[in-house]
Amino acid sequence: NAGVTQTPKFQVLKTGQSMTLQCAQDMNHEYMSWYRQDPGMGLRLIHYSVGAGITDQGEVPNGYNVSRSTTEDFPLRLLSAAPSQTSVYFCASSGLAGGAGELFFGEGSRLTVL
Amino acid sequence: KQEVTQIPAALSVPEGENLVLNCSFTDSAIYNLQWFRQDPGKGLTSLLLIQSSQREQTSGRLNASLDKSSGRSTLYIAASQPGDSATYLCAVLVGTASKLTFGTGTRLQVTL
Repeated sequence: NAGVTQTPKFQVLKTGQSMTLQCAQDMNHEYMSWYRQDPGMGLRLIHYSVGAGITDQGEVPNGYNVSRSTTEDFPLRLLSAAPSQTSVYFCASSGLAGGAGELFFGEGSRLTVL
Repeated sequence: KQEVTQIPAALSVPEGENLVLNCSFTDSAIYNLQWFRQDPGKGLTSLLLIQSSQREQTSGRLNASLDKSSGRSTLYIAASQPGDSATYLCAVLVGTASKLTFGTGTRLQVTL
């Protein structure tokens, strides 16, 4: 059972570089979301999607883009990386509308921006 | 804006003890509340989900209660074991906003 798969697990970027964090789920979940986890601040919602073609902003969307062309994939793009984006990023999905059901998380992607 | 608080931030107990973790939230108009476990360097695993109409949920040695009117939830762990050592987080979903708000977690250590 793959569940939610995130790649890469680790990444080091220089300031100004761009990259995409990949997230894929094989549970046919409509709801997918991206969080960042920082020490002392808990998890904060970046963007979420309630289905293919539909995305919306979360609490901390600036500097990030998302798209949802398929049910399975929800990539997160960093347009011009900044040191403040150093964090651990988690992708999560849920089988109920609006994320109302049990949330399944990936293992995380640890990003360092120098 | 919904705020979720978990106290204490860290807790150390000897094996076998029963313990309670606390979660409080400021907006009582929640749709559900979920408790998660996170092991170091890993993602979160959902433990229990309580709908707003429910008072409690149980799974094995875990019991979670919800008091919407007071903005509180507790996670009760019976007969704690060293394998229970992890960070426990709660999260609330408000209405149809599709946005979960997380607490900062309680780091639990169960010692031999």
